Amino acid sequence: GAGVSQSPRYKVAKRGQDVALRCDPISGHVSLFWYQQALGQGPEFLTYFQNEAQLDKSGLPSDRFFAERPEGSVSTLKIQRTQQEDSAVYLCASSLWDRSQETQYFGPGTRLLVL
Amino acid sequence: QKEVEQNSGPLSVPEGAIASLNCTYSDRGSQSFFWYRQYSGKSPELIMFIYSNGDKEDGRFTAQLNKASQYVSLLIRDSQPSDSATYLCAVNGVGNQFYFGTGTSLTVIP
Repeated sequence: GAGVSQSPRYKVAKRGQDVALRCDPISGHVSLFWYQQALGQGPEFLTYFQNEAQLDKSGLPSDRFFAERPEGSVSTLKIQRTQQEDSAVYLCASSLWDRSQETQYFGPGTRLLVL
Repeated sequence: QKEVEQNSGPLSVPEGAIASLNCTYSDRGSQSFFWYRQYSGKSPELIMFIYSNGDKEDGRFTAQLNKASQYVSLLIRDSQPSDSATYLCAVNGVGNQFYFGTGTSLTVIP
């Protein structure tokens, strides 16, 4: 595809509700990253995939957060039993290869509001 | 101590002036350094990357890296109102983790 796409762009959830956020990376990109960006802050790393393998999930804030990329392309970030502190923009990024020097290309983000 | 520190600003410069944005990082093993621009309500977009000590120029933008001082900067020459945005410094960490600073808000005044 032309770029990284994410859906939905906006999500309002009631506290305690489960949500699923989708990311379509650039076609052929090996690496996929999820970030959480709170208002006025920089993106905070959540998790990283190399193809279908989740190689680093150290940034996930709690066990309510779960991410998968079963076929090595589309990824889903799931948040169970949402809390108000989960309100943020969730950014997905992809890069072509699995090297630290690779540029990451960001999607438009999903803005999550938990009421 | 955060991995990446930036002055949050806001930084205001007149149109045509040079804007200077600074960033320090804590991990001496970091090898890759990136500057992203983020307009309000939009996602970050890459401006420049730098891997080696010294200066790297791309049009009106110059990135400077000093690994000994753990310091990276971005200079914007001939600043334009369209440059008004938040500038994020990103540094690679362990594995493929990227650490972002909180960003510096830049306003270019016409």
